[in-house]
Amino acid sequence: QKEVEQNSGPLSVPEGAIASLNCTYSDRGSQSFFWYRQYSGKSPELIMFIYSNGDKEDGRFTAQLNKASQYVSLLIRDSQPSDSATYLCAVTGGNQFYFGTGTSLTVIP
Amino acid sequence: EAQVTQNPRYLITVTGKKLTVTCSQNMNHEYMSWYRQDPGLGLRQIYYSMNVEVTDKGDVPEGYKVSRKEKRNFPLILESPSPNQTSLYFCASSANRGPSYEQYFGPGTRLTVT
Repeated sequence: QKEVEQNSGPLSVPEGAIASLNCTYSDRGSQSFFWYRQYSGKSPELIMFIYSNGDKEDGRFTAQLNKASQYVSLLIRDSQPSDSATYLCAVTGGNQFYFGTGTSLTVIP
Repeated sequence: EAQVTQNPRYLITVTGKKLTVTCSQNMNHEYMSWYRQDPGLGLRQIYYSMNVEVTDKGDVPEGYKVSRKEKRNFPLILESPSPNQTSLYFCASSANRGPSYEQYFGPGTRLTVT
């Protein structure tokens, strides 16, 4: 059973701060890594994907991947109240997707 | 507009009464998938399909069936629903293009089995 682990939170940060979300995975053969955001009652929407070691930046979001440590993270700079949501880490294994249980983030105005 | 649609959005049914949840995408995607989402368990893949007539089990396939007769449609069938299948269901699709295959999710179907 391939596992994807996330700290369930809740994680609270003040507006304007950096939010750091972490994810570990068990399958060393995993090739692609995704961060999804899910608002309450809504479907997941993709924020970023990464498949090479290192950092990938997109606006206020930075994904970091360390395959040796089997670790992927998401940094949200200048956090806004609209960033309050659950963040899902997803990992591919073969033709399947494996999701973590999500980290709940609250940005306090 | 590129989208994944699911119907119905909400369904309350009784144990043992067969039901089908439809899923359709208009992006010509090869890959389609069904997930269920439960509190504390996250999103778990039920079945997926790499292309027409090609389907395979995910992590939690028991009690479910799927078919892929057309590229755009991927219905989820519960032949004899039970209360433990009460959940929020999502259909998703993606194009099989290299490792960065983003999945697009439908709006979800909330199923209650009594």
